[in-house]
Amino acid sequence: DVQLVESGGGLVRPGGSLRLSCRASGFTFSTYWMHWVRHISGKGLLWVSRINNDETIRDYADSVRDRFTISRDNVENTLYLQMNSLRVEDSGIYYCTRGLGGYWGQGTLVTVSS
Amino acid sequence: DVVLTQTPLSLTVAPGQSASISCISSQSLQDTDGRTYQYWHHQRPGQSPQLLIYEIFNRFSGVPDRFSGSGSGSNFTLTISRVETADVGLYYCMHAIELPYTFGQGTKLEI
Repeated sequence: DVQLVESGGGLVRPGGSLRLSCRASGFTFSTYWMHWVRHISGKGLLWVSRINNDETIRDYADSVRDRFTISRDNVENTLYLQMNSLRVEDSGIYYCTRGLGGYWGQGTLVTVSS
Repeated sequence: DVVLTQTPLSLTVAPGQSASISCISSQSLQDTDGRTYQYWHHQRPGQSPQLLIYEIFNRFSGVPDRFSGSGSGSNFTLTISRVETADVGLYYCMHAIELPYTFGQGTKLEI
């Protein structure tokens, strides 16, 4: 079965950093584009970033560009999101998805607050 | 950015009845390759979203045929036939025609 398991979320002060991980199993990770999507309670879903299978293409939402970095390790079958200079508005549940949402992880909660 | 407008934002349906959700895009979601990059996701309370429909009308693996998608260009509809209690939650329209991908506001379905 396809499984995506996120980790790394937590409470951080504005200006701080977090590194999210998404461990994949049950499929050939190295052949899929992967994405991060944020869910904000009461406000819906926001696409954050995507990466192609060999890391030659990385794209970001305007609101996170230059602060967040997406990467992957195709040996460890893991997707990452390095989040720097965090803002209150970055708070939410972060999901990794395989492709355009064919499979979603359970999410990891990020709370940015002073 | 492409704006997706869903209507209604909330609806209540009796078990066994049908429900329809509309998604209108600010631009056509049909690409030059002829494919239309429009999707429907369902998020049950307390759970992760799940893909229901991709490219207008294709049901994702394991999705019951009670769920059907239709439409073209910039106008799309999700129809749920014979609604069940498990269908509660939020339904989101999404596009992937260009970056950034965006979602509709979500439609809350109550039974």
